Amino acid sequence: DIVLTQTPLSLSVTPGQPASISCKSSQSLLPTHGKTYLYWYLQKPGQPPQILIYEAYNRFSGVPERFSGSGSGADFTLEINRVEAEDIGFYYCMQSIQVPSFGPGTKVDL
Amino acid sequence: QVQLVQSGAEVKKPGSSVKVSCKASGGSFSSAFSRYAFSWVRLAPGQGLEWMGGIIPIFGSANYAQKFQGRVIITADESTTTAYMELSSLRSEDTALYYCATSQGPIIPVSPVQYYYFYMDVWGKGTTVTVSS
Repeated sequence: DIVLTQTPLSLSVTPGQPASISCKSSQSLLPTHGKTYLYWYLQKPGQPPQILIYEAYNRFSGVPERFSGSGSGADFTLEINRVEAEDIGFYYCMQSIQVPSFGPGTKVDL
Repeated sequence: QVQLVQSGAEVKKPGSSVKVSCKASGGSFSSAFSRYAFSWVRLAPGQGLEWMGGIIPIFGSANYAQKFQGRVIITADESTTTAYMELSSLRSEDTALYYCATSQGPIIPVSPVQYYYFYMDVWGKGTTVTVSS
């Protein structure tokens, strides 16, 4: 099974400052049919997860432009170019090129 | 608007089973239910999200994470547009919030690899399952 590793596991942010989370896969998530099956989710306190990024770098509808995804192969990054207070929560990467799995999560707080 | 409504909270004894339902409405469920990918994801206290398994009715069989293989059964009923997750041999570590999730639109099955389609952008509110003697 594919194991996803996220760093850092905890991140204290300052509103207006950038933030970045890394997601590394134990195997390359080589594009298949032109798609890289790597996703980013945010789970805010008391809410179900919400998707931010799909297929590595595509921002989901309604997600603020300050969120961006990048990377390829086995290394991926989620960036927030100017953090806002509402961005706190747990961030997870997820792959579905094999049996789906999530990373351990990154706790982001102020 | 696609919506997933899950069944209510459950309290179970160790060794018993629980069955959680997830009623889908809106979108194209009434006409294309068999082409939706339903996943079950759980969040245990102090833990991260875990994909337990999923089903895409048009493919027939469900897929399960190795950790839950043999203990979980995921099914879907097209007549009621409802997905189910049954977890057996419950233990205290199964105490968690269980989510069902799917996508806003049906899949276009161009590949036989089902994993590609377990994309989740619609989530239920979750069902709390507490396992306690």
